[in-house]
Amino acid sequence: GQNIDQPTEMTATEGAIVQINCTYQTSGFNGLFWYQQHAGEAPTFLSYNVLDGLEEKGRFSSFLSRSKGYSYLLLKELQMKDSASYLCALKQAAGNKLTFGGGTRVLVKP
Amino acid sequence: DTGVSQNPRHKITKRGQNVTFRCDPISEHNRLYWYRQTLGQGPEFLTYFQNEAQLEKSRLLSDRFSAERPKGSFSTLEIQRTEQGDSAMYLCASSTRGDSYNEQFFGPGTRLTVL
Repeated sequence: GQNIDQPTEMTATEGAIVQINCTYQTSGFNGLFWYQQHAGEAPTFLSYNVLDGLEEKGRFSSFLSRSKGYSYLLLKELQMKDSASYLCALKQAAGNKLTFGGGTRVLVKP
Repeated sequence: DTGVSQNPRHKITKRGQNVTFRCDPISEHNRLYWYRQTLGQGPEFLTYFQNEAQLEKSRLLSDRFSAERPKGSFSTLEIQRTEQGDSAMYLCASSTRGDSYNEQFFGPGTRLTVL
């Protein structure tokens, strides 16, 4: 089985940086996704890590350490529109399905 | 709009009734997935298709649930004899075939409320 843990909620100030951690226990996976989901909307893709290390895409960066069972999503220069849930998901080694964590709700305050 | 579409967007039904949802994936995507999401939780995998073949079903998918993708294009998810516990957002996603990076694109979901 798999277990994926994320903090339930985080609050940060506009313009600041927030780091969302994701820890997992699994027997095997192909890679790790981060999705953003605004309330009432579909999840949208943010990043994908397959190798250990940091992937940077504009204001968003994601890090993976397979040996530590750990990933984080870093959001820089926070904007009000970044208030959303952020979902960590493991892509299975076979079949391509995603197993999601419970999501972290980020609230950006002025 | 060339994204994943789902219909209806909202469905309210009485306990015991049958409901059917439809998903139209991105046209060139041959993989299609169904997930269920309850409030404050991440999506949970239900089933997936590669073309018309249903390749995996979750244990969450009881006998009351059935999914089809008859021509390898759109898919339907039917829930028979609905229960209040079936109330959730049902999300559909599609992707291209591949063993490495191929992100899943999600539709807007169908929100089911069982009274």
